[in-house]
This record gives sequence, C-alpha cells and structure tokens, in this order.
Amino acid sequence: GQNIDQPTEMTATEGAIVQINCTYQTSGFNGLFWYQQHAGEAPTFLSYNVLDGLEEKGRFSSFLSRSKGYSYLLLKELQMKDSASYLCAVLDSNYQLIWGAGTKLIIKP
Amino acid sequence: GAVVSQHPSRVICKSGTSVKIECRSLDFQATTMFWYRQFPKKSLMLMATSNEGSKATYEQGVEKDKFLINHASLTLSTLTVTSAHPEDSSFYICSARNRDRDYNEQFFGPGTRLTVL
Repeated sequence: GQNIDQPTEMTATEGAIVQINCTYQTSGFNGLFWYQQHAGEAPTFLSYNVLDGLEEKGRFSSFLSRSKGYSYLLLKELQMKDSASYLCAVLDSNYQLIWGAGTKLIIKP
Repeated sequence: GAVVSQHPSRVICKSGTSVKIECRSLDFQATTMFWYRQFPKKSLMLMATSNEGSKATYEQGVEKDKFLINHASLTLSTLTVTSAHPEDSSFYICSARNRDRDYNEQFFGPGTRLTVL
C-alpha cells in the first residue's frame, strides 16, 4: 500500500528553527510537495522537490532523499503566523497526490 | 498567478436536499480538476479526478451517483452532493492542475464547508 508518515504535532518557539520530517512509501514517485494549511482554509503551496537535495525559498527549505523515501521541511526564524498544519504529499506513478495526515505546528512566544 | 475559486464557501442544508459546489480556475485553463474531502484534523481524501469533456474518475468507496461531478469547460468543474445526509457534512476542497506549468502542481480553491442538518 501507499503510506506517508509525518509527526502529528510539533511545538516550537518564535524565532527558532523547526524541521518537519516526512517518510513515504508509494507506487512510483513523480515529486514531493509541501503545503501549509491554516485551520478552516485550503492548503497553499510551499515547495516541490523531484531531485535529491535541498531547495531553499526564503525562510522555508525542503530536502529530499529519494533513496531513503524521506523529506523534511525546515522553517527558520519562526513567526506566530507560521502556526498551521504542514502537509507532505507525494505524486505517485499515476500522477495522483498521496497525502500525509499533516503536522500541526504550534508556535509559542 | 494561478487562482482557483470555489462557491459557495459555506452552505447549510436540510437532509435530503442536493447541494452544488462550483470550482473555477480564474486565470488559467485546467484540463484536470480534483475534488477532495477533509474531516477535522484529518488529511485530504481524494474523491474524484475530473477531466474536461469526459467522465470523472472516482476513488474507491466514493459513490458516483451521490457525488455528481461535471467538468463542462476548461475553467469550471461542479460537484453536486445529492440527497445529502448529516454524514456528508465535511470540508470539500477542489484543486486544479495548470497544464501550462512545468510540473504537476495543484492549486487549491478556498474550500466549501457543508453542514447537513
């Protein structure tokens, strides 16, 4: 079966750095997405990785290792507005998105 | 940009009635649109994939006669929840794939919260 695992909840302090991990087992791989979702809202795109390595975009970076079936999202200089759920999703061989359950990130002052 | 709108944002209906939700890509053409359902504190569950001009492909366990999907144009897909029941209450989200983009990013609508009394 297809499976994506990420922690249910994480807590971090404003101004700090947090890393959210995602491991996946899917039938085929055509890229991995990270989305941010605030409560009651639709997901918004953060990053896309299809090759191994680190993609940096401002305060957010995303890393992928295809051989390990592993990705992480790194958030730096945390702000209160970063409190949200972060969803990891993999595009499988049929170009369907397989979603993780999301990681709820709580930022404390 | 790549903006997707959804209407209505919230709907409350009585059990047994039908509800139509519209999903529109405002500034791009979307040959493929997706309909998701999300329960509180749960991940997105793909219900169906909608291709312009053809029948939707439903995921296992999703009743096609209950959740009618029509993708009549390159910018519009509709989901109709027929004979709604309280267990259909959920957050419904559509997304659209921009065929002109290099990779298969999906752009999400703002979602529709359906409450069936």
